Amino acid sequence: NAGVTQTPKFQVLKTGQSMTLQCAQDMNHNSMYWYRQDPGMGLRLIYYSASEGTTDKGEVPNGYNVSRLNKREFSLRLESAAPSQTSVYFCASSNSGTGNTIYFGEGSWLTVV
Amino acid sequence: EDQVTQSPEALRLQEGESSSLNCSYTVSGLRGLFWYRQDPGKGPEFLFTLYSAGEEKEKERLKATLTKKESFLHITAPKPEDSATYLCAVPAYSGAGSYQLTFGKGTKLSVIP
Repeated sequence: NAGVTQTPKFQVLKTGQSMTLQCAQDMNHNSMYWYRQDPGMGLRLIYYSASEGTTDKGEVPNGYNVSRLNKREFSLRLESAAPSQTSVYFCASSNSGTGNTIYFGEGSWLTVV
Repeated sequence: EDQVTQSPEALRLQEGESSSLNCSYTVSGLRGLFWYRQDPGKGPEFLFTLYSAGEEKEKERLKATLTKKESFLHITAPKPEDSATYLCAVPAYSGAGSYQLTFGKGTKLSVIP
């Protein structure tokens, strides 16, 4: 039972490069999320997808785009990476509805130089 | 504005020394309070959800309690393997009828043998 799987685990980018973080879940959840975690800032929501075919901005969406490819997969794209996007990124999923438990992946460490 | 505040930021305990972590929240109408454990280099792992004041949940050496303004995570006779960062989160209104988890910054617990 894999749960939420993210790739890649580690990535170093140069300023201005683009990349996509991939995420897949095998729990048949409707909702999926992308968070970033920075020292002293806690976990902050970038984008979420309440259901297949919908995406919405979270607290810190600038500089990112997302695609809900199907029910299982939710990708995060950095079109032109900036040093401020150096962070740990977590994908997560849950059943629909407020108050349902969110389950996280293992994280993707991104460094932009 | 909805907020989640955790204290202390860091806590060092001797093995067997019981203590409590605090999570205070300000939201309009609580829709659940979530506790997660996060080990270094890993994603947050779900521990408990509490939905109403007076509710308590236990798992091994951990017990979570909830009042109308705060939650406590009590750790009884901790062991070194309980060392981790403990996060709490509440669903906060994010617009358009949607609620998304807002996280505190966490308490880093170190249990010394």
